[in-house]
Amino acid sequence: AQKVTQAQTEISVVEKEDVTLDCVYETRDTTYYLFWYKQPPSGELVFLIRRNSFDEQNEISGRYSWNFQKSTSSFNFTITASQVVDSAVYFCALSVLSGAGSYQLTFGKGTKLSVIP
Amino acid sequence: EPEVTQTPSHQVTQMGQEVILRCVPISNHLYFYWYRQILGQKVEFLVSFYNNEISEKSEIFDDQFSVERPDGSNFTLKIRSTKLEDSAMYFCASSGRAGGTSTDTQYFGPGTRLTVL
Repeated sequence: AQKVTQAQTEISVVEKEDVTLDCVYETRDTTYYLFWYKQPPSGELVFLIRRNSFDEQNEISGRYSWNFQKSTSSFNFTITASQVVDSAVYFCALSVLSGAGSYQLTFGKGTKLSVIP
Repeated sequence: EPEVTQTPSHQVTQMGQEVILRCVPISNHLYFYWYRQILGQKVEFLVSFYNNEISEKSEIFDDQFSVERPDGSNFTLKIRSTKLEDSAMYFCASSGRAGGTSTDTQYFGPGTRLTVL
């Protein structure tokens, strides 16, 4: 069974501070995919990034960066110079190929980030 | 940019009534999913659908639930006799372009908020 743990339930930062959201996952599969989704107050789920288990390169996209470490089963997300628009719930998710041939996402419980002006 | 759409955005129903939630996946995608999110909780997988049949379903997806792709564009989730605990946000997602694989990222619709009174 797959499991995703986001230990931080809520985080508050002051605008322009850097913030890291933690994600730890569990799976016995050797091939898997990790994702981050953003859920703003309006409720939709916005895809941010996907990594596969064979690609441990860190990635940077503007103010966002992701640190994937298989040794610690972690896929952490850092926002640099946070802005009020970053306020949202952020979900980490894991997918593996099921016996039925489909992929289903297992989500963490989410981290609510509040950026205070 | 293509996107997943869902209607209605909010549905209010009486306990015991049937509801149909509608989704239009991204047009060239092949894999379709329903997830739900009870208020304040994590997103949970309900069912995946490929080639006009269910690929996989979770234990939440009991006999009260059914899915259908009635034509080439719509994907529906029906709840036969709603219960209070069915109140949640229901998300549709799609992935997997023709020639690709189901590992492609799942893109989510904006959700339908179902309120059962």
